[in-house]
Amino acid sequence: DQQVKQNSPSLSVQEGRISILNCDYTNSMFDYFLWYKKYPAEGPTFLISISSIKDKNEDGRFTVFLNKSAKHLSLHIVPSQPGDSAVYFCAASKETSGSRLTFGEGTQLTVNP
Amino acid sequence: DVKVTQSSRYLVKRTGEKVFLECVQDMDHENMFWYRQDPGLGLRLIYFSYDVKMKEKGDIPEGYSVSREKKERFSLILESASTNQTSMYLCASSLPPGPFGSQYFGPGTRLLVL
Repeated sequence: DQQVKQNSPSLSVQEGRISILNCDYTNSMFDYFLWYKKYPAEGPTFLISISSIKDKNEDGRFTVFLNKSAKHLSLHIVPSQPGDSAVYFCAASKETSGSRLTFGEGTQLTVNP
Repeated sequence: DVKVTQSSRYLVKRTGEKVFLECVQDMDHENMFWYRQDPGLGLRLIYFSYDVKMKEKGDIPEGYSVSREKKERFSLILESASTNQTSMYLCASSLPPGPFGSQYFGPGTRLLVL
Protein backbone atom coordinates (compact mmCIF):
# COMPACT_ATOMS: atom_id res chain seq x y z
CA ASP A 1 0.00 0.00 0.00
CA GLN A 2 1.93 2.99 -1.32
CA GLN A 3 0.70 5.92 0.74
CA VAL A 4 3.02 8.40 -0.95
CA LYS A 5 3.29 8.23 -4.72
CA GLN A 6 5.47 9.95 -7.24
CA ASN A 7 3.99 8.93 -10.55
CA SER A 8 6.75 10.25 -12.76
CA PRO A 9 9.91 8.15 -12.55
CA SER A 10 11.82 10.72 -14.59
CA LEU A 11 11.70 14.33 -15.76
CA SER A 12 13.94 16.14 -18.20
CA VAL A 13 14.10 19.95 -18.49
CA GLN A 14 16.32 22.57 -20.07
CA GLU A 15 18.64 24.68 -17.98
CA GLY A 16 16.96 27.92 -16.92
CA ARG A 17 13.43 26.55 -17.23
CA ILE A 18 11.09 25.48 -14.44
CA SER A 19 11.13 21.93 -13.04
CA ILE A 20 7.91 20.71 -11.44
CA LEU A 21 7.99 17.48 -9.47
CA ASN A 22 4.73 16.04 -8.22
CA CYS A 23 3.72 13.90 -5.29
CA ASP A 24 0.36 12.47 -4.19
CA TYR A 25 -0.58 10.95 -0.87
CA THR A 26 -3.52 8.91 0.33
CA ASN A 27 -3.34 9.19 4.12
CA SER A 28 -5.24 12.27 5.31
CA MET A 29 -3.47 11.99 8.68
CA PHE A 30 -0.20 13.17 7.14
CA ASP A 31 0.49 16.68 8.37
CA TYR A 32 4.09 17.38 7.43
CA PHE A 33 5.79 16.93 4.09
CA LEU A 34 9.42 17.01 3.04
CA TRP A 35 11.48 16.82 -0.12
CA TYR A 36 14.86 15.15 -0.23
CA LYS A 37 17.43 15.20 -2.99
CA LYS A 38 19.79 12.31 -3.71
CA TYR A 39 22.91 12.24 -5.84
CA PRO A 40 24.38 8.89 -6.94
CA ALA A 41 26.59 7.24 -4.31
CA GLU A 42 25.39 9.69 -1.62
CA GLY A 43 22.64 9.58 0.96
CA PRO A 44 19.53 11.76 0.53
CA THR A 45 19.78 15.32 1.82
CA PHE A 46 16.92 17.42 3.14
CA LEU A 47 15.77 20.12 0.72
CA ILE A 48 12.57 21.79 1.87
CA SER A 49 9.48 21.04 3.94
CA ILE A 50 5.94 22.25 4.51
CA SER A 51 3.45 21.91 7.30
CA SER A 52 -0.19 21.12 6.55
CA ILE A 53 -1.22 24.49 7.98
CA LYS A 54 0.47 26.19 5.02
CA ASP A 55 -0.04 25.92 1.29
CA LYS A 56 3.32 27.25 0.17
CA ASN A 57 6.88 27.39 1.39
CA GLU A 58 9.74 29.00 -0.47
CA ASP A 59 13.50 28.74 -0.10
CA GLY A 60 15.53 30.41 -2.80
CA ARG A 61 14.94 28.64 -6.11
CA PHE A 62 12.82 25.95 -4.45
CA THR A 63 9.11 26.26 -3.66
CA VAL A 64 6.81 23.57 -2.35
CA PHE A 65 3.06 23.84 -2.83
CA LEU A 66 0.53 21.83 -0.86
CA ASN A 67 -3.06 21.19 -1.94
CA LYS A 68 -4.64 19.35 0.98
CA SER A 69 -8.03 18.86 -0.63
CA ALA A 70 -6.37 17.09 -3.55
CA LYS A 71 -3.77 15.40 -1.33
CA HIS A 72 -1.12 16.67 -3.68
CA LEU A 73 2.13 18.51 -3.34
CA SER A 74 4.63 19.76 -5.84
CA LEU A 75 8.19 21.03 -5.84
CA HIS A 76 9.05 23.86 -8.20
CA ILE A 77 12.66 24.63 -9.08
CA VAL A 78 13.20 27.95 -10.84
CA PRO A 79 15.50 28.39 -12.64
CA SER A 80 16.70 24.82 -13.05
CA GLN A 81 20.46 24.22 -13.11
CA PRO A 82 22.47 21.21 -14.27
CA GLY A 83 23.59 20.68 -10.66
CA ASP A 84 19.95 20.04 -9.76
CA SER A 85 20.09 16.74 -11.66
CA ALA A 86 19.38 14.14 -8.98
CA VAL A 87 16.65 11.86 -7.66
CA TYR A 88 14.03 13.73 -5.66
CA PHE A 89 12.04 11.96 -2.96
CA CYS A 90 8.84 13.22 -1.46
CA ALA A 91 8.20 12.18 2.17
CA ALA A 92 5.30 12.55 4.58
CA SER A 93 4.81 12.29 8.30
CA LYS A 94 2.01 12.42 10.84
CA GLU A 95 2.35 13.90 14.31
CA THR A 96 1.37 10.67 15.99
CA SER A 97 4.19 8.76 14.32
CA GLY A 98 6.93 10.98 15.69
CA SER A 99 9.96 11.13 13.43
CA ARG A 100 8.89 8.31 11.14
CA LEU A 101 8.70 9.26 7.45
CA THR A 102 6.93 7.57 4.54
CA PHE A 103 8.75 8.08 1.24
CA GLY A 104 7.62 8.08 -2.35
CA GLU A 105 9.34 6.17 -5.14
CA GLY A 106 11.46 9.09 -6.30
CA THR A 107 11.72 11.09 -9.53
CA GLN A 108 14.96 11.33 -11.50
CA LEU A 109 15.38 14.94 -12.63
CA THR A 110 17.79 15.66 -15.47
CA VAL A 111 18.58 19.29 -16.28
CA ASN A 112 20.16 19.62 -19.69
CA PRO A 113 22.66 22.45 -20.35
CA ASP B 1 27.76 19.44 10.57
CA VAL B 2 25.92 16.21 11.25
CA LYS B 3 27.82 13.19 10.15
CA VAL B 4 26.31 9.76 9.65
CA THR B 5 28.79 7.11 8.64
CA GLN B 6 28.21 3.57 7.47
CA SER B 7 30.83 0.89 7.89
CA SER B 8 31.01 -0.20 4.26
CA ARG B 9 30.15 1.34 0.91
CA TYR B 10 30.01 -2.01 -0.89
CA LEU B 11 29.55 -5.54 0.39
CA VAL B 12 29.33 -8.89 -1.36
CA LYS B 13 27.97 -11.80 0.67
CA ARG B 14 26.79 -15.32 0.02
CA THR B 15 23.30 -16.66 0.59
CA GLY B 16 22.88 -17.83 4.17
CA GLU B 17 25.64 -15.66 5.62
CA LYS B 18 24.98 -13.45 8.64
CA VAL B 19 25.56 -9.83 7.66
CA PHE B 20 26.18 -6.84 9.92
CA LEU B 21 25.72 -3.28 8.69
CA GLU B 22 26.97 -0.63 11.07
CA CYS B 23 25.89 2.99 11.33
CA VAL B 24 27.38 5.69 13.55
CA GLN B 25 26.21 9.29 14.03
CA ASP B 26 28.15 12.00 15.82
CA MET B 27 25.43 14.51 16.74
CA ASP B 28 23.86 12.88 19.79
CA HIS B 29 20.61 12.20 17.95
CA GLU B 30 18.03 10.10 19.75
CA ASN B 31 16.39 8.68 16.63
CA MET B 32 18.02 6.32 14.17
CA PHE B 33 16.58 4.55 11.15
CA TRP B 34 17.43 1.85 8.63
CA TYR B 35 15.98 1.95 5.11
CA ARG B 36 16.49 0.05 1.93
CA GLN B 37 16.27 1.72 -1.44
CA ASP B 38 15.18 -0.24 -4.50
CA PRO B 39 14.39 1.05 -8.00
CA GLY B 40 10.73 1.96 -8.37
CA LEU B 41 10.06 1.42 -4.67
CA GLY B 42 11.78 4.40 -3.10
CA LEU B 43 12.99 4.24 0.49
CA ARG B 44 11.29 1.68 2.68
CA LEU B 45 11.71 1.69 6.45
CA ILE B 46 13.08 -1.53 7.93
CA TYR B 47 13.57 -0.67 11.61
CA PHE B 48 13.97 2.41 13.75
CA SER B 49 14.99 3.28 17.26
CA TYR B 50 14.05 6.21 19.51
CA ASP B 51 16.55 5.45 22.23
CA VAL B 52 19.26 3.09 23.37
CA LYS B 53 18.06 -0.50 23.54
CA MET B 54 14.74 0.48 21.99
CA LYS B 55 13.67 -0.68 18.56
CA GLU B 56 10.50 -0.64 16.52
CA LYS B 57 9.57 -2.42 13.33
CA GLY B 58 9.15 -0.41 10.19
CA ASP B 59 7.30 -1.43 7.05
CA ILE B 60 9.52 -4.34 5.97
CA PRO B 61 11.24 -5.88 9.03
CA GLU B 62 11.09 -9.52 7.89
CA GLY B 63 14.53 -11.10 7.61
CA TYR B 64 16.21 -8.29 9.56
CA SER B 65 17.01 -7.45 13.15
CA VAL B 66 18.70 -4.46 14.78
CA SER B 67 20.80 -3.60 17.77
CA ARG B 68 21.28 -0.30 19.57
CA GLU B 69 23.60 -0.72 22.52
CA LYS B 70 24.98 2.83 22.38
CA LYS B 71 23.23 6.06 21.43
CA GLU B 72 25.52 6.79 18.50
CA ARG B 73 25.47 3.31 16.94
CA PHE B 74 22.66 1.43 15.21
CA SER B 75 23.35 -1.93 13.61
CA LEU B 76 21.29 -3.78 11.04
CA ILE B 77 21.62 -7.55 11.00
CA LEU B 78 20.63 -9.90 8.23
CA GLU B 79 20.35 -13.18 10.07
CA SER B 80 20.60 -15.33 6.94
CA ALA B 81 21.17 -13.28 3.82
CA SER B 82 19.04 -14.02 0.77
CA THR B 83 19.28 -12.79 -2.80
CA ASN B 84 16.15 -10.65 -2.40
CA GLN B 85 18.04 -8.64 0.21
CA THR B 86 20.38 -7.33 -2.46
CA SER B 87 19.80 -3.59 -2.18
CA MET B 88 21.11 -0.18 -1.15
CA TYR B 89 20.88 0.22 2.63
CA LEU B 90 20.64 3.69 4.09
CA CYS B 91 20.97 4.70 7.71
CA ALA B 92 19.59 7.99 9.05
CA SER B 93 19.39 9.87 12.32
CA SER B 94 17.29 12.74 13.62
CA LEU B 95 16.50 14.80 16.70
CA PRO B 96 13.04 14.64 18.17
CA PRO B 97 10.37 15.80 18.16
CA GLY B 98 8.59 14.77 15.01
CA PRO B 99 9.97 15.26 11.53
CA PHE B 100 10.75 18.93 11.96
CA GLY B 101 14.42 18.33 12.52
CA SER B 102 14.43 16.17 9.39
CA GLN B 103 16.56 13.09 8.95
CA TYR B 104 20.25 13.04 8.13
CA PHE B 105 21.41 10.15 5.98
CA GLY B 106 24.62 8.22 5.64
CA PRO B 107 26.13 7.53 2.20
CA GLY B 108 24.60 4.07 1.97
CA THR B 109 25.88 0.50 1.72
CA ARG B 110 25.30 -1.34 -1.54
CA LEU B 111 24.87 -5.01 -0.63
CA LEU B 112 25.02 -7.80 -3.17
CA VAL B 113 23.94 -11.26 -2.02
CA LEU B 114 25.04 -14.07 -4.33
